[in-house]
Amino acid sequence: GAGVSQSPSNKVTEKGKDVELRCDPISGHTALYWYRQRLGQGLEFLIYFQGNSAPDKSGLPSDRFSAERTGESVSTLTIQRTQQEDSAVYLCASSWTGGVSEKLFFGSGTQLSVL
Amino acid sequence: GENVEQHPSTLSVQEGDSAVIKCTYSDSASNYFPWYKQELGKRPQLIIDIRSNVGEKKDQRIAVTLNKTAKHFSLHITETQPEDSAVYFCAASRPTGNQFYFGTGTSLTVIP
Repeated sequence: GAGVSQSPSNKVTEKGKDVELRCDPISGHTALYWYRQRLGQGLEFLIYFQGNSAPDKSGLPSDRFSAERTGESVSTLTIQRTQQEDSAVYLCASSWTGGVSEKLFFGSGTQLSVL
Repeated sequence: GENVEQHPSTLSVQEGDSAVIKCTYSDSASNYFPWYKQELGKRPQLIIDIRSNVGEKKDQRIAVTLNKTAKHFSLHITETQPEDSAVYFCAASRPTGNQFYFGTGTSLTVIP
């Protein structure tokens, strides 16, 4: 595809429900990141995948958050038992190899609203 | 870990004037500093970056400066235009680890 694709673009859910967010990185990109962007805030690192290496989960805020990636393709971010404070835009980004000075290509994000 | 602070949070300038956004970082090991622009409702996009082995980099109306001793770096936009209106994020990255540490963003408004 032409860029990083995320779905859904918007998700409204009730408190306590589980949600699953999807990210399709640019073909050939081995590195994939998830960030959370609360209203008026910066980009908060959640998790990083690089090829077949163990993911860096150091940014996940609680055990309600988890993410998977199938090889070097699609990733899903799952939030269980959603809370109102989970409301945010969830951004996915990918890069070629995850090198330190590599450009990140962002998706357009999923706006999650927890009622 | 790294802590990136960004100022100001909002900035309004008249078209044609210059805009300066400043960021500080805490980890002296950080060596890569990108700037991302996020237009309303759109995804962040890299506009310029600088590595720690240089002090300044320019690209047309945009420049970034880095002071490693003081651990701060700045984005300079000259001859601002309405299309420069957006949220700008600075970031810092270390040579080890995989994280980009982002600032909280600056909402720039260029008044025609």
